Amino acid sequence: DQQVKQNSPSLSVQEGRISILNCDYTNSMFDYFLWYKKYPAEGPTFLISISSIKDKNEDGRFTVFLNKSAKHLSLHIVPSQPGDSAVYFCADSRKNLANTGNQFYFGTGTSLTVIP
Amino acid sequence: DTAVSQTPKYLVTQMGNDKSIKCEQNLGHDTMYWYKQDSKKFLKIMFSYNNKELIINETVPNRFSPKSPDKAHLNLHINSLELGDSAVYFCASSLLGDQPQHFGDGTRLSIL
Repeated sequence: DQQVKQNSPSLSVQEGRISILNCDYTNSMFDYFLWYKKYPAEGPTFLISISSIKDKNEDGRFTVFLNKSAKHLSLHIVPSQPGDSAVYFCADSRKNLANTGNQFYFGTGTSLTVIP
Repeated sequence: DTAVSQTPKYLVTQMGNDKSIKCEQNLGHDTMYWYKQDSKKFLKIMFSYNNKELIINETVPNRFSPKSPDKAHLNLHINSLELGDSAVYFCASSLLGDQPQHFGDGTRLSIL
């Protein structure tokens, strides 16, 4: 019951170019979307988020776009730097059925390699 | 100063054994979580606690029992370990249940 899908397991981009990471979700009840970055042997680190009432959020080189009609989320990194090489997870959130807390669903990640 | 620390980092043990993984956060957060990342890299929530109270309990075998002695700690005890329990287990915390989470570095559990 994978509710969040990242269909590209890997992506290679030249340094200085734009990296675009994509994520699709199935549940229209999701109201909060996040991107995490993960280096090997470390836990995921929060990068950027967006609420369902917005369609864009920007933080420095990172911009997240939300297309609710297509149930699609993307992360743009520009310009890409070698230090951006990591696995990127998207995560979607909604209240759980008992309304006691938020349920987070993660994608399987996209491994980004930025080539110097 | 590690914000979310979990121990041990690696755990190799035999099938049928009982083991525990400890997690502590020094961020003053109210909510703590356990996630399991399986071989397909799928990161799935197992439990969520808010102020020592269980608020999310996904479909997890009852061999897994979380324990929260105080809001800074959430330990995971696993009884009668099985081969399918091999995975990386991540602890996380957040200020509130709808805020971004801070993750520990994971515990890689290998069952022989």
